Amino acid sequence: DTEVTQTPKHLVMGMTNKKSLKCEQHMGHRAMYWYKQKAKKPPELMFVYSYEKLSINESVPSRFSPECPNSSLLNLHLHALQPEDSALYLCASSQERYGQPQHFGDGTRLSIL
Amino acid sequence: GENVEQHPSTLSVQEGDSAVIKCTYSDSASNYFPWYKQELGKRPQLIIDIRSNVGEKKDQRIAVTLNKTAKHFSLHITETQPEDSAVYFCAASMGTGRRALTFGSGTRLQVQP
Repeated sequence: DTEVTQTPKHLVMGMTNKKSLKCEQHMGHRAMYWYKQKAKKPPELMFVYSYEKLSINESVPSRFSPECPNSSLLNLHLHALQPEDSALYLCASSQERYGQPQHFGDGTRLSIL
Repeated sequence: GENVEQHPSTLSVQEGDSAVIKCTYSDSASNYFPWYKQELGKRPQLIIDIRSNVGEKKDQRIAVTLNKTAKHFSLHITETQPEDSAVYFCAASMGTGRRALTFGSGTRLQVQP
């Protein structure tokens, strides 16, 4: 059983659409992450939230907008995406201290038409 | 920033043989090294991790070794089974400040029955 829940599992959207990806964890973790994974590649870090505050933005285009409404939830708002943004979007969480493992959700497979 | 190199990119072994995957990292400040297994279409799953104050860690058929001086760490799987077939990613992170993971490029392990 995954302890990090992501919805939806699959999303197909047009380039003009607005949609959101959601991530939820109830492990009391105070660090949450968004990663993007293309086929046959490792996950690439997009954003890190620490205690509900954005601590790292890896120069991600503004068409991706993260939000952390509370310590259990993480959203990724999508607008005006490009076909090259099609990928698996993974959420992860961890305890906010040294050397703690990150637990990944099953991801949202996003396709941009 | 941190750079993690992983070798080999593909590895094919016979069932029952051992498999070894090697990674090197560039930033001497990195002090946490997890290994993830990702089956096709599934999330990365943590299989073992090691911190920089330890040289070796073992969990049943899986072991990880760390050489801080050479900035190398390796995953060892003994008595491989077909269900070990997957993509394996090494990763590195710094304990303070930037806790995000930098992943290696991945190794596709195929265990032939």
